[in-house]
Amino acid sequence: AQTVTQSQPEMSVQEAETVTLSCTYDTSESDYYLFWYKQPPSRQMILVIRQEAYKQQNATENRFSVNFQKAAKSFSLKISDSQLGDAAMYFCAYFTGANSKLTFGKGITLSVRP
Amino acid sequence: DVKVTQSSRYLVKRTGEKVFLECVQDMDHENMFWYRQDPGLGLRLIYFSYDVKMKEKGDIPEGYSVSREKKERFSLILESASTNQTSMYLCASSSGTRASTDTQYFGPGTRLTVL
Repeated sequence: AQTVTQSQPEMSVQEAETVTLSCTYDTSESDYYLFWYKQPPSRQMILVIRQEAYKQQNATENRFSVNFQKAAKSFSLKISDSQLGDAAMYFCAYFTGANSKLTFGKGITLSVRP
Repeated sequence: DVKVTQSSRYLVKRTGEKVFLECVQDMDHENMFWYRQDPGLGLRLIYFSYDVKMKEKGDIPEGYSVSREKKERFSLILESASTNQTSMYLCASSSGTRASTDTQYFGPGTRLTVL
């Protein structure tokens, strides 16, 4: 069974600094997708970034980028120039068409210090 | 913008009551999902549906059932609510086939308390 591990329950970053959120996963599949979702306090969960496993190039979306290490089964999220609005819970998630299910990690709460 | 709405933000029910949680999406998405979110456990899939009248069990279906009579609406039913079903319930939808990798769009969640 696929598992997604986010080992750090909480992190804190100074505004304008860079922070990296860690995620590892376990799978025997070769074709899959990885996602980072953001859940702001009392607001809806939204997609931050996605990565196709067959792509070697790391995905980027403005201030958000990933470090995808397929052999190590690692998928970390880097947030550059952190802003107060980045404060949220972040979930790493894995998807494979083999079972059509999105598997989430336990999440990490990110706080941003002004 | 995709909009996924849930019937209630907060709900308080008593043990043994039958509870209905409703979810509606306005983007003609084929796939719809119900998750529960608990501190320290992340999101866990209860049921999903990839077509009208179709449903599949997720990871924790026990104590729940679902109904999808119309494409835009997906209902989660707690036949006899219990205190261990106190949780945040999130609905999501996505387009494409059953194995679609398209983005899932989430509703605002329903915080259910069972007394």
